[in-house]
Amino acid sequence: SQTIHQWPATLVQPVGSPLSLECTVEGTSNPNLYWYRQAAGRGLQLLFYSVGIGQISSEVPQNLSASRPQDRQFILSSKKLLLSDSGFYLCAWTKGGAGGSNQPQHFGDGTRLSIL
Amino acid sequence: QKEVEQNSGPLSVPEGAIASLNCTYSDRVSQSFFWYRQYSGKSPELIMSIYSNGDKEDGRFTAQLNKASQYVSLLIRDSQPSDSATYLCAVTPGNSGYALNFGKGTSLLVTP
Repeated sequence: SQTIHQWPATLVQPVGSPLSLECTVEGTSNPNLYWYRQAAGRGLQLLFYSVGIGQISSEVPQNLSASRPQDRQFILSSKKLLLSDSGFYLCAWTKGGAGGSNQPQHFGDGTRLSIL
Repeated sequence: QKEVEQNSGPLSVPEGAIASLNCTYSDRVSQSFFWYRQYSGKSPELIMSIYSNGDKEDGRFTAQLNKASQYVSLLIRDSQPSDSATYLCAVTPGNSGYALNFGKGTSLLVTP
């Protein structure tokens, strides 16, 4: 069975500090991978998605970036965090390939990021 | 911009009642529809998938889809306090995009 791991679970960072959040998926190959942010009391905001190694699509221009150095690894980064970067960051995966676009997404446990 | 609309709630129902959650979507060619449950402070959890018109039942949950009306609903029978959560409707994009379109969710409160 497939599992998705996301860490850390919680993170407190000062404004202006860098960020690196990691997500890995097990039990599947060539998944589509996604990063979402959910501000307190708000809906899911898609940040990035990737359909393959090195392929990143950005949905929202901001000071965040994403990378996919390996097939089942997805990393969210920032060089300098802003107060507005606070939120609940969720990684998700879905089956890749032609059938993937009609498949549900499965979420990791999330990282709660607080910027001070 | 493809929209998925849900009433934000809160929807309050007494324990044992039927909770009815509704969702409309704007993309006429969407093919797959999902309901997620999100407890406070937790990540969304897939609870139902539906791909064709009609009803699909899974335990106390029934998903209903009407593509002509662009309408999806979730019924929860015999509601329990543990069903209190936010329910997210998600719809696949019809233009072969890769990311689901999510509604903002309906908050459900089941009172004992």
